[in-house]
Amino acid sequence: KQEVTQIPAALSVPEGENLVLNCSFTDSAIYNLQWFRQDPGKGLTSLLLIQSSQREQTSGRLNASLDKSSGRSTLYIAASQPGDSATYLCAVNTGFQKLVFGTGTRLLVSP
Amino acid sequence: DAGITQSPRHKVTETGTPVTLRCHQTENHRYMYWYRQDPGHGLRLIHYSYGVKDTDKGEVSDGYSVSRSKTEDFLLTLESATSSQTSVYFCAISEPGLQPQHFGDGTRLSIL
Repeated sequence: KQEVTQIPAALSVPEGENLVLNCSFTDSAIYNLQWFRQDPGKGLTSLLLIQSSQREQTSGRLNASLDKSSGRSTLYIAASQPGDSATYLCAVNTGFQKLVFGTGTRLLVSP
Repeated sequence: DAGITQSPRHKVTETGTPVTLRCHQTENHRYMYWYRQDPGHGLRLIHYSYGVKDTDKGEVSDGYSVSRSKTEDFLLTLESATSSQTSVYFCAISEPGLQPQHFGDGTRLSIL
């Protein structure tokens, strides 16, 4: 059974820092991996999607990498801002677009 | 947002009553999903649909049923609600071909 773990569970940083969020999964037979952002009381916003054949994807200040063989992905956020405060979730596609989620990293960026 | 509306947004009901949650999309996406989100468990897939009248079970399908009679609507039914089904329910949509999923704003369901 696929299991997804995110470390750390919570992270607090001052504004301007570069930071890395980690995601690991137990079964490397995935089709792709998706990073989401969730604000309190809201739905999930898709940030980046990495196909299994790709090594990384970039969008603005966000960069996500994927090492399928070792079962790891990282989300790098450059020059963090208070508006980046949210919970970040990673999810792996196990087929038929069925996603298995981690429990998230709660990020707080203070001014 | 990706044109996904969940209704109701909040509901409080009693154990043993039937409950139906609705997901409506305006994107004409083929795939639709229902997840539940609980503290310590993250999001877990309940049921999904890969076309009109085509549905299948997810990881936590016991106690839930679904129906999809039109492309735009995906209904989740709790036939006889239990307190363990208190949760936040999210609908998602996607296209086939390894495309990203897009989520609605959720329904907060409390069963007393």
